[in-house]
Amino acid sequence: DAKTTQPPSMDCAEGRAANLPCNHSTISGNEYVYWYRQIHSQGPQYIIHGLKNNETNEMASLIITEDRKSSTLILPHATLRDTAVYYCIVRPNFGNEKLTFGTGTRLTIIP
Amino acid sequence: GAVVSQHPSWVICKSGTSVKIECRSLDFQATTMFWYRQFPKQSLMLMATSNEGSKATYEQGVEKDKFLINHASLTLSTLTVTSAHPEDSSFYICSARDSPRLEETQYFGPGTRLLVL
Repeated sequence: DAKTTQPPSMDCAEGRAANLPCNHSTISGNEYVYWYRQIHSQGPQYIIHGLKNNETNEMASLIITEDRKSSTLILPHATLRDTAVYYCIVRPNFGNEKLTFGTGTRLTIIP
Repeated sequence: GAVVSQHPSWVICKSGTSVKIECRSLDFQATTMFWYRQFPKQSLMLMATSNEGSKATYEQGVEKDKFLINHASLTLSTLTVTSAHPEDSSFYICSARDSPRLEETQYFGPGTRLLVL
């Protein structure tokens, strides 16, 4: 079972920052938070991951609360190509632990 | 990021035939590969995990004799859908990880769309 809760859908205006929330209140100390997205009819694309510190890369920023029970993925300047389903996943940081996908958030960027 | 390819990207076959899907890691060696299936408007469901040189581990409810997985090399895993039926029509996606290291990122292929007539 997925250990995260995300809103089923969100809209964001093109050029604005898209903030996607994720609750993971039962996260364990050895579990990372991963974000992937899936554009229609494609395989999932890795975005970013983190443990407890905020992370930033060329695609997005990840803000993790101090208690690690929730996080927010931020796309700073959303474009139409960011329209996709975004998945927040928690996964232990060892061994062959698998990624278990929940239902994700369908983000629609509006022109 | 690392690149994972799949072949074919789509396939149409008659009921009762077998279909093989290839998954390759192009710029890294994948000690572990995963096979997922996705039905329309649903999320990805893990079917099995394969480690190079050993038998695949199947998720509950997935028939290992129907979905044959071979991970014979560090860059190639194959999924064979045997005696395919219309209910096997789905989007099959593989992913690969180069080692069970800490924070290891899993990269996904573009998917293979299977239609069984």
